Amino acid sequence: QQQVKQSPQSLIVQKGGISIINCAYENTAFDYFPWYQQFPGKGPALLIAIRPDVSEKKEGRFTISFNKSAKQFSLHIMDSQPGDSATYFCAAGSGGFKTIFGAGTRLFVKA
Amino acid sequence: NAGVTQTPKFQVLKTGQSMTLQCAQDMNHEYMSWYRQDPGMGLRLIHYSVGAGITDQGEVPNGYNVSRSTTEDFPLRLLSAAPSQTSVYFCASSSSGRGQETQYFGPGTRLLVL
Repeated sequence: QQQVKQSPQSLIVQKGGISIINCAYENTAFDYFPWYQQFPGKGPALLIAIRPDVSEKKEGRFTISFNKSAKQFSLHIMDSQPGDSATYFCAAGSGGFKTIFGAGTRLFVKA
Repeated sequence: NAGVTQTPKFQVLKTGQSMTLQCAQDMNHEYMSWYRQDPGMGLRLIHYSVGAGITDQGEVPNGYNVSRSTTEDFPLRLLSAAPSQTSVYFCASSSSGRGQETQYFGPGTRLLVL
């Protein structure tokens, strides 16, 4: 299976709260899991990525949690800010496979 | 570096018309691809190229044509536009196309087919 399932479709969070977006994959051959951030009118841009040899990766307020046995990974945005309002895509790839994207999550952070 | 550039930014077509969406990159990337983005469906791969002269189909290739005559350019042609092709189109590039690399996206072309 090549699908990457992403939830929720949309998310509203208060300023200062934690935003959590979840993704699940089927193909155990995937070994690279990036998250892309897209602002309105712009193209997606890499935000943070993880490989399955670690269970967590943190960059500033953004953290990826990875559960290899459950084939799930999630993005946590701590202290969410209005400037974080964007669409977030999870993705999965490997050396032999094209990157597969999730359906996207529209995040709105209320001031 | 300009990165990945796309033209036009916005286009309105009538059903049956043809047009070419332009994409160029200045990062000397071998791999280039076209995606379409529709609400609730994420980014779907249309066509891709692993180098000049080499192209292949992605997930949703019907109604689109591509060619890659140079490393820098990867145009997408709509042969006979249909309302179902109303979408936002993104061009992307990466060093070699392997799924473990960052993809760099252009700003997109919004297409409306009436």
